[in-house]
This record gives sequence, structure tokens and C-alpha cells, in this order.
Amino acid sequence: GENVEQHPSTLSVQEGDSAVIKCTYSDSASNYFPWYKQELGKRPQLIIDIRSNVGEKKDQRIAVTLNKTAKHFSLHITETQPEDSAVYFCAAVHGSSNTGKLIFGQGTTLQVKP
Amino acid sequence: GAGVSQSPSNKVTEKGKDVELRCDPISGHTALYWYRQSLGQGLEFLIYFQGNSAPDKSGLPSDRFSAERTGGSVSTLTIQRTQQEDSAVYLCASSSDRGLKPQHFGDGTRLSIL
Repeated sequence: GENVEQHPSTLSVQEGDSAVIKCTYSDSASNYFPWYKQELGKRPQLIIDIRSNVGEKKDQRIAVTLNKTAKHFSLHITETQPEDSAVYFCAAVHGSSNTGKLIFGQGTTLQVKP
Repeated sequence: GAGVSQSPSNKVTEKGKDVELRCDPISGHTALYWYRQSLGQGLEFLIYFQGNSAPDKSGLPSDRFSAERTGGSVSTLTIQRTQQEDSAVYLCASSSDRGLKPQHFGDGTRLSIL
């Protein structure tokens, strides 16, 4: 079945620096890749998503890149701020089923030090 | 426009008891998903409903787990004869359609089995 690997598991950066989180997926049929931010005790919040017909998408300080050949995608956060501290999850839709079933990575705990 | 609503927010019960968790999706959303998040882990897909189609139950971990969706709106996840390993946060999400549409999560139900 589909598997999504996410690295690193923890990431600590200084305020103002950039942060990069990487994910790989196994199902070449996957065609939708969302990223969620989850603060402690809160619901996961969708922050950006990308479809397989594009290679990059940007929204202010957040960008996602997708390499379909290598089956990996990455989240880039620039000019990090303390409020960016949270757990970030990547996910890939199970492409062959067309149900929208998401397979999640294990999460990255991002700490932004002021 | 209210978001996805889940109840109860917390549930503590004794091993062996049955529990029911409720999810009220965003109005007009036809797709509804249940996920489970164990402590410090990613989200695990459980079940998916889309309109009047047969649900995708491929993620349910055992026959003690079942779910229904009445009238295409509210969904109930039932766990019979609860075990300690069922302790987790149960998250519900909805989207306007299946496949490539963003999924929006509720706050979850934190289930603790004593």
C-alpha cells in the first residue's frame, strides 16, 4: 500500500531562518499532496497543497515543491517566526482509489527560537 | 459558516465499554472522513463516506469499529468492547467532493480507555 516518509522528525531554527521539510511517497498514482500544521491540542489546519500537474506552488512565506519522477515533495518556510512553531504533516492522496483517502507522514516538530 | 464539529471533545471510559463519537461536517460537504491520531503519531485513515456510495472501510482496524452516516450529513463512529490500544484522538474531516478537494478537520475527540 501507499507509504509516506517524512524527515526530519524534529527541526529547530532561529527566527528569520528558513525551514525545509521533506516527504517521499511510494504510489506513483498519487496526484494530490496537502500539508497540514497542527498546534498543540488543536485540529490540523491545511496550509498549502499541490497537485501533480504543477511542480511548485507558493503562498507568501510558504512554498511546496513536487518532483514526480523522484516521488518526493518538500515544504519550504522562509523568514520563520515563533508562531510557525508546530507539528507539520505531509500527506499524499491514495491515487488509485480516487476516494481522497490521505496517507500521512509521521510529522515534523518545528521549533522556531526567538 | 461553521466548521466541522465533533462531540464529545473528551471521552473517558472503562475497557470493554462501547463508545459513540459524532461528527457534523461542513454544510454542503459530500465527503466525510474519519482518522485516528495516536499520541505523537501521524494520522491514520479509518473510513470514508461519499454521498450515497458504499463507504470505504479499508482503514478500520478491527470489526469492533463501525461507522454510519445518516442522511448524507452527520456521521457516528462506534467502537465496541473498547481496548486500551483504542486510546487516541479521533478526527473527522469533510470536503466538498472526493479526490483533490481540501479536507477540513474538526477538533477531534480525545478517547481514553482506562
